[in-house]
Amino acid sequence: KNEVEQSPQNLTAQEGEFITINCSYSVGISALHWLQQHPGGGIVSLFMLSSGKKKHGRLIATINIQEKHSSLHITASHPRDSAVYICAVIRNTDKLIFGTGTRLQVFP
Amino acid sequence: DVKVTQSSRYLVKRTGEKVFLECVQDMDHENMFWYRQDPGLGLRLIYFSYDVKMKEKGDIPEGYSVSREKKERFSLILESASTNQTSMYLCASSFGGVTSGRVGQYFGPGTRLTVT
Repeated sequence: KNEVEQSPQNLTAQEGEFITINCSYSVGISALHWLQQHPGGGIVSLFMLSSGKKKHGRLIATINIQEKHSSLHITASHPRDSAVYICAVIRNTDKLIFGTGTRLQVFP
Repeated sequence: DVKVTQSSRYLVKRTGEKVFLECVQDMDHENMFWYRQDPGLGLRLIYFSYDVKMKEKGDIPEGYSVSREKKERFSLILESASTNQTSMYLCASSFGGVTSGRVGQYFGPGTRLTVT
């Protein structure tokens, strides 16, 4: 079993829909990272969080340390949000442990 | 803005060739990482360097070596490329220690390597 599990693996949505991607982990962590990867490969960091909730534009990330669970929400989704979203956790070292990603496609 | 650059976006090599992938970062980061990304497997750590000339094996180091002679540059070497090393290779960098936990890793654009 992977230490970091994401669901769903694939997600399709109509433009404007509210989207939730979930991440569960089984190890103790110091922080959790949400990443976005567009076709073509480049990965950008969306959020780093270790507690509570963070918001940036239409993106919201929450984490529940006790339940070992994090969610990434996208409000008013748009086709340009189509990408792979990756959850990664940091333990007590500098290394990340990655989930396998959620492929999101938003159709107009 | 932090910039992590990789020497090539696309590379095609023949089986048995020696392959060098270079990564350069401009933020004076202590840590640098090489990952490979394959469908269904996500990102897997090949090697990690936490200082100049220091390296640590990741989860899948077999068939790879690395070099870090300068702080800003981290090279991945495939001594004798094989077809099962066809993959997307991503470099990343970060500050060390507790700062890493606050700001995370910065990724390069990736190199899609095909070994024929």
